[in-house]
Amino acid sequence: DQQVKQNSPSLSVQEGRISILNCDYTNSMFDYFLWYKKYPAEGPTFLISISSIKDKNEDGRFTVFLNKSAKHLSLHIVPSQPGDSAVYFCAASLYNQGGKLIFGQGTELSVKP
Amino acid sequence: GAVVSQHPSWVICKSGTSVKIECRSLDFQATTMFWYRQFPKQSLMLMATSNEGSKATYEQGVEKDKFLINHASLTLSTLTVTSAHPEDSSFYICSARTDQEFFGPGTRLTVL
Repeated sequence: DQQVKQNSPSLSVQEGRISILNCDYTNSMFDYFLWYKKYPAEGPTFLISISSIKDKNEDGRFTVFLNKSAKHLSLHIVPSQPGDSAVYFCAASLYNQGGKLIFGQGTELSVKP
Repeated sequence: GAVVSQHPSWVICKSGTSVKIECRSLDFQATTMFWYRQFPKQSLMLMATSNEGSKATYEQGVEKDKFLINHASLTLSTLTVTSAHPEDSSFYICSARTDQEFFGPGTRLTVL
């Protein structure tokens, strides 16, 4: 049972344009959401997070939006750069389960010059 | 940010042998470390939570006798894949938590 889903396995965007990566979840009790960036043969690196009490968090070119009623979050990258090309994972956690992370399947972003 | 290392970065072994993977937090102490497995093009799946000084907590469907976890100190957790089979071939990633979760670079295990 996939509690966190990223339905787009890949996304291709032109440099300078906006990249929008989407993530859906099924458990309304999740209270914290995170986005990670991963290169091949490397571990994920933290990008940005959002608490369930917020609907937006911004850090430089990266903004995460949370729509609790739709159980949906998205990561916006603007402007996109070739160095952003990687696999992006969203993850959700539940404080009363020790905060363990449940990951989506990942979306491979390719930013073309 | 905090650094987590894994050793080895890749290993090839014969079916039936055991393989040990180390996970170290280099500049911080971690009472809790996590072990994940990732198959190609798939999500990172949490295997177990490793707690310093106590038994690991395994996720449903993960065989604790096959994947032995030892968290002997606040900076080291080890995962031993016992009697490895080709289907155990995967990318194993550990993480350690302070205020956030920091991931190691991963270990590619190939069982022939």
